[in-house]
Amino acid sequence: DTAVSQTPKYLVTQMGNDKSIKCEQNLGHDTMYWYKQDSKKFLKIMFSYNNKELIINETVPNRFSPKSPDKAHLNLHINSLELGDSAVYFCASSPGNIETQYFGPGTRLLVL
Amino acid sequence: GENVEQHPSTLSVQEGDSAVIKCTYSDSASNYFPWYKQELGKGPQLIIDIRSNVGEKKDQRIAVTLNKTAKHFSLHITETQPEDSAVYFCAASPDNYGQNFVFGPGTRLSVLP
Repeated sequence: DTAVSQTPKYLVTQMGNDKSIKCEQNLGHDTMYWYKQDSKKFLKIMFSYNNKELIINETVPNRFSPKSPDKAHLNLHINSLELGDSAVYFCASSPGNIETQYFGPGTRLLVL
Repeated sequence: GENVEQHPSTLSVQEGDSAVIKCTYSDSASNYFPWYKQELGKGPQLIIDIRSNVGEKKDQRIAVTLNKTAKHFSLHITETQPEDSAVYFCAASPDNYGQNFVFGPGTRLSVLP
């Protein structure tokens, strides 16, 4: 199936731990994104990469570090997890500028 | 920066009725306005979009209208069905690069059978 996939789907961890979320798209898109959706369903962009280069880096704590090993992958590493990091994290991709964004199924992160 | 407002936050309609969700945006440079539907436990999916050179666009039971002067755009769903129940998000793309979507806060639509 052609799609945007994320792993893991659920992530439960203790405060202070370091965790990673992986994202892969096989749509041949140039641009990938990370979004955070909080408990009130508010969707906010965190990062955007175009052809492995960082394009958008919103006001996000530097504990969050995206890594794009190639155009099809954009991983999110989070250091020293805090309670407020609990949310659903969505990866998305798009073919290029001002184009439809295709979202993955989300990773539900719960920090205890 | 861009700010997108969306109303109402919740909307209940009877099956077969129409539903209208309205969004306003602040940045006159925004030129792309997608609408996304998010079902429970899933990621948002694009249902329709409109660009600033068009005033209205239709796709079967769904239509979007754009008023650039007033900086607002609306989603219209006709003949609603229970499977239309979901959270709907509008978004605006405020920068020339076109990748930084600013989403509205969402509208939870419930279609009652």
